Amino acid sequence: ETGVTQTPRHLVMGMTNKKSLKCEQHLGHNAMYWYKQSAKKPLELMFVYSLEERVENNSVPSRFSPECPNSSHLFLHLHTLQPEDSALYLCASSLTGRELFFGEGSRLTVL
Amino acid sequence: AQTVTQSQPEMSVQEAETVTLSCTYDTSESNYYLFWYKQPPSRQMILVIRQEAYKQQNATENRFSVNFQKAAKSFSLKISDSQLGDTAMYFCAFMKYNYGGSQGNLIFGKGTKLSVKP
Repeated sequence: ETGVTQTPRHLVMGMTNKKSLKCEQHLGHNAMYWYKQSAKKPLELMFVYSLEERVENNSVPSRFSPECPNSSHLFLHLHTLQPEDSALYLCASSLTGRELFFGEGSRLTVL
Repeated sequence: AQTVTQSQPEMSVQEAETVTLSCTYDTSESNYYLFWYKQPPSRQMILVIRQEAYKQQNATENRFSVNFQKAAKSFSLKISDSQLGDTAMYFCAFMKYNYGGSQGNLIFGKGTKLSVKP
């Protein structure tokens, strides 16, 4: 039990589908993150929500849309994805200035 | 921009022996944090050890210790008495200190795949 829970663990979707990844943290943290982990590439920060402020990596395509309704929940909405978007998507949370705690990841496959 | 480099894509060690994983980074910041994370085949990224740049003393956590050389921008991880459960990907990571209180980015290296052999 890590305190950061991601669902679903595995997701297969077609290029025209709309789906969402969910993340929930039970640690009382004030920041939440989405990272993308692809084979042979460094982990890439996609979005950060901290103290109601959103910071994003400008290279992330608009087909990825984050939502953070409160400090405990984070979503990543997916629509019209491409096969190259297949990856492990990791959610994390932290207190400001402290280390990140990660979930177990959602393995996404886009057909 | 900050970068983190792990020059060893793969390493192996015999059980009970000691192994050192290398990490170098590049930054113009004076205050920052450095981390080692472990990602076993189960995929969960787990914090191994943390170092604040303003602290001269090297961090230790049980069998894990670091050699932090700020001037050389080097941050290596030493694993003593290696165990089979240490088999995993190990990532070195950098975080800039944010004075304004808002959260910054954790920048990762590409990782080192460590195999502990019986």
